[in-house]
Amino acid sequence: AAGVIQSPRHLIKEKRETATLKCYPIPRHDTVYWYQQGPGQDPQFLISFYEKMQSDKGSIPDRFSAQQFSDYHSELNMSSLELGDSALYFCASSPTGDPNEQYFGPGTRLTVT
Amino acid sequence: GDSVTQMEGPVTLSEEAFLTINCTYTATGYPSLFWYVQYPGEGLQLLLKATKADDKGSNKGFEATYRKETTSFHLEKGSVQVSDSAVYFCALRNFNKFYFGSGTKLNVKP
Repeated sequence: AAGVIQSPRHLIKEKRETATLKCYPIPRHDTVYWYQQGPGQDPQFLISFYEKMQSDKGSIPDRFSAQQFSDYHSELNMSSLELGDSALYFCASSPTGDPNEQYFGPGTRLTVT
Repeated sequence: GDSVTQMEGPVTLSEEAFLTINCTYTATGYPSLFWYVQYPGEGLQLLLKATKADDKGSNKGFEATYRKETTSFHLEKGSVQVSDSAVYFCALRNFNKFYFGSGTKLNVKP
């Protein structure tokens, strides 16, 4: 069965650089969620999109932005990177009408040096 | 605000031992409750869920019952295997937001 795809899987950036993370949801899933998991920490909800509109916002820094495109894939844009942004970034998708069924991608590991 | 508290790890058990990982929550309204498992270097996998009080979620020998009176959702398994070694996260969903506990690492020794 198709799963959530995230790219890249690993990314190394320097401080003050920008990064773009991509998420491709499971086919026919129209809702996408982004999470940040710091080393040894629990995942923190960042932001979600439903039908290309932002549906909810969590602890996403102002330096980050995200959007969902017409093909339902989503991109998380991160600017002015800081050392503390080093984390595993997960994307999850869910089908219409069933937000309890969140399927997570393998994550993108971002390292800021 | 909404939150999840789960027992700290690591939890180390011998194969075939009984497992309990405690999870309690604080939430307004009627949240849905979940257990996720994370293997090293991988993403989160949904293990089981319960969407209303007294529901029991179960999968792969793991069980958890949604107890509204004690605001708990403890994870149990009667006989753990080495392959169950992973980090387990309790989570709740309320008003379309997910909140995760801090995770409990389980080590199962042969």
